[in-house]
Amino acid sequence: DIQMTQSPSSLSASVGDRVTITCRASQIIRGNLNWYQQKPGQTPALLIYATSRLQSGVPSRFSGSGSGTGFTLTISGLQPEDSATYYCQQSYDVPYSFGQGTKLEIE
Amino acid sequence: EVQVVESGGGLVQPGGSLRLSCVVSRFTFSSYWMSWVRQAPGKGLEWVANIRHDGSEKYYVDSVKGRFTFSTDNTKNSLYLHMNSLRVEDTAIYYCARLDEMIRGDMHYFYMDVWGKGTTVTVSS
Repeated sequence: DIQMTQSPSSLSASVGDRVTITCRASQIIRGNLNWYQQKPGQTPALLIYATSRLQSGVPSRFSGSGSGTGFTLTISGLQPEDSATYYCQQSYDVPYSFGQGTKLEIE
Repeated sequence: EVQVVESGGGLVQPGGSLRLSCVVSRFTFSSYWMSWVRQAPGKGLEWVANIRHDGSEKYYVDSVKGRFTFSTDNTKNSLYLHMNSLRVEDTAIYYCARLDEMIRGDMHYFYMDVWGKGTTVTVSS
């Protein structure tokens, strides 16, 4: 099974900051990496798919990159509404797996 | 608006059974894979199962194999998660999600692009 490890587990940043969340897979997943945002009490929402493809309707301040086993989610110009938990997820092979989540707090 | 709506959650004793339903609307159900994902209280997301639209392929996380079964009814645009021998650790919000696919060359990229609001399953005596 493929293990997904996110870092950091939590972070705090200010409005306008640029933040990066890292996700590492235990084996090569050929770009099959997705990012989801979950706000408190809400359903997860797709942000980025296939490493770097922005889901329709998602603000362009969100971007994804990476290859092999290492991937990043970057938020450029943090907004108050970006306060949420972010999850990476691999869909290269079943069982699919999620990272443990990164809780982002806006100061 | 493309939508998925789950139902069927509730309180059940350990060893009991439940059937979760997921009804989809405004997209061609027969063209997509579907997934179930769960989230235990205060915890992260856990993938549970995938099913091909025609039911010909099904995949489950090891912890539910032999206990949970995924089925579909294309005439009702519905899918179901039959949960048997429930355990306390199955307590979670269960989300139904559409699994979209992008094909580039020989690669198939799958991602969960439409999620329901979830239905809560509580297993407790």
